[in-house]
Amino acid sequence: GAGVSQSPSNKVTEKGKDVELRCDPISGHTALYWYRQSLGQGLEFLIYFQGNSAPDKSGLPSDRFSAERTGGSVSTLTIQRTQQEDSAVYLCASSPSSTSSYEQYFGPGTRLTVT
Amino acid sequence: AQRVTQPEKLLSVFKGAPVELKCNYSYSGSPELFWYVQYSRQRLQLLLRHISRESIKGFTADLNKGETSFHLKKPFAQEEDSAMYYCALSGRGNNDMRFGAGTRLTVKP
Repeated sequence: GAGVSQSPSNKVTEKGKDVELRCDPISGHTALYWYRQSLGQGLEFLIYFQGNSAPDKSGLPSDRFSAERTGGSVSTLTIQRTQQEDSAVYLCASSPSSTSSYEQYFGPGTRLTVT
Repeated sequence: AQRVTQPEKLLSVFKGAPVELKCNYSYSGSPELFWYVQYSRQRLQLLLRHISRESIKGFTADLNKGETSFHLKKPFAQEEDSAMYYCALSGRGNNDMRFGAGTRLTVKP
């Protein structure tokens, strides 16, 4: 079946503009994660959705960042008033709810460049 | 709160040499530990998990609860092992996972 998909694959935007990044998880996966991967910085947790529970937003770096997950499936990460330091690869991952498996399946990422 | 520490950002070894990528964690409950790998221009993917006690591509990792470590080892590194490696932790029974900052391994010919 299809894996996790993300769109767009690349996004170049001007400083101060808003951007929306989309993630389509694997069908049936109830957990969805957003991470940021910066050059030389590794993998930074942003936000985590699990089923219908309130999301864990503890990793969002500022109030310019927000995320939604509609209908327990597709998720959108929104960055308002983008700054140059927001430039990074944004990764989405999904995971099944089964207690026997916690593997995360990653999408290809969206490379965001803020000019 | 759960935390994963990978003390080495960069690690370079010669082909055929042993390699060990360090991972330490802190977690108050029962942890599930994982290693993920990202090869050049590929997606991040699971390499191995401690509960499976498996060896993947010659890599093994043992969970040491006393030292709160989950180091990744391979006796003879290959050039194709060059990649970014991430250690990750989740609490048993939940999907809330945290990753370390990653170690970039370079295996030189």
